[in-house]
Amino acid sequence: KAGVTQTPRYLIKTRGQQVTLSCSPISGHRSVSWYQQTPGQGLQFLFEYFSETQRNKGNFPGRFSGRQFSNSRSEMNVSTLELGDSALYLCASGTTFPGNYGYTFGSGTRLTVV
Amino acid sequence: SQQGEEDPQALSIQEGENATMNCSYKTSINNLQWYRQNSGRGLVHLILIRSNEREKHSGRLRVTLDTSKKSSSLLITASRAADTASYFCAPSGGGADGLTFGKGTHLIIQP
Repeated sequence: KAGVTQTPRYLIKTRGQQVTLSCSPISGHRSVSWYQQTPGQGLQFLFEYFSETQRNKGNFPGRFSGRQFSNSRSEMNVSTLELGDSALYLCASGTTFPGNYGYTFGSGTRLTVV
Repeated sequence: SQQGEEDPQALSIQEGENATMNCSYKTSINNLQWYRQNSGRGLVHLILIRSNEREKHSGRLRVTLDTSKKSSSLLITASRAADTASYFCAPSGGGADGLTFGKGTHLIIQP
């Protein structure tokens, strides 16, 4: 079966702009989580969506938002980009109770803010 | 969710040798998961061990779990160059509990 698809793979944006990243989970998976990975902070949890509702949230400012559609595809949006938002953004999909079975990650979107 | 702490932070061994990395956590868990990340790519789920299990095998991987010490270890036997990657442990409360990752162990396999 197809894996987790993240688009785009690479993105370069200017400070102050906004960006939208997309994630298509494995067919049948209804949980989608987002992570930010930077050399300094490591892997940090952003939020998780299940059945179009945000179920868990990390400690990020309100500039970071997300949503999930009825087909389980998810998008995350970052507004008013800052240089520190440059990172690898990873999406992970899971079953209804992904904590019981593990997550499948996409290859990520590399965002560079200049 | 709680964060696991991997040790050592970095490990360099010769191809063919075994690699062992450890994970410690603080509170009770439902299971503990190990993931691998090749440079700049997504994480790959390697193995999940439940709190009532003490040891689990998958190919060249062996994972142990000691809930009394709140620790786990991942052993990779007969290492290969392709095993060069960062390895993360993720203790999980199960259910809808999300994962929190530590800094990982960066493993380098020398040819």
